[in-house]
Amino acid sequence: RKEVEQDPGPFNVPEGATVAFNCTYSNSASQSFFWYRQDCRKEPKLLMSVYSSGNEDGRFTAQLNRASQYISLLIRDSKLSDSATYLCVVKEDTGRRALTFGSGTRLQVQP
Amino acid sequence: DARVTQTPRHKVTEMGQEVTMRCQPILGHNTVFWYRQTMMQGLELLAYFRNRAPLDDSGMPKDRFSAEMPDATLATLKIQPSEPRDSAVYFCASGQTSGTGTGELFFGEGSRLTVL
Repeated sequence: RKEVEQDPGPFNVPEGATVAFNCTYSNSASQSFFWYRQDCRKEPKLLMSVYSSGNEDGRFTAQLNRASQYISLLIRDSKLSDSATYLCVVKEDTGRRALTFGSGTRLQVQP
Repeated sequence: DARVTQTPRHKVTEMGQEVTMRCQPILGHNTVFWYRQTMMQGLELLAYFRNRAPLDDSGMPKDRFSAEMPDATLATLKIQPSEPRDSAVYFCASGQTSGTGTGELFFGEGSRLTVL
């Protein structure tokens, strides 16, 4: 079983739609959580951190459920420019482990 | 605008040849990572350095891959001999960790390797 699992998609949604992605992680020692965004043939970039109480950044909302070991990302009012792959990332805060990336969920927003 | 710089951007080589990829992390960052990305496997960690010391290279095939940081401004990833299954995009990333750590990694644009 992979440490971080995501539905690969693609999620095809019309502009203006609300879309949500989930991600599950297997290591209960994971302490830090993030969503990265990767455009086609580009490098990943940090989208947002995920805090225990949930957090929002404009149209994006991230939630963490430690009991069930999953993280979610909600995108409201989808734009064409949101089309990308969204990578779920977890980190153990023991120092020796690097960030572990999920394989990503591809989103295609259509006009 | 500080950025991670990787060379070469593209490399096509024949099986059996040596390949060296280079990375200049962002000045002041104390952690450097090498990731490999393929369609099938996604992003896989190959090696991880903190303050130039290797912390984790368990994801790296030791018989043919080697990663080093000869100084704070240069990280290298070498494959010798290369094989077709090594074809992938190799990303270098750097970050600054302290105390509880930070999750933001800054990635280079990647080195796209094709081994024929």
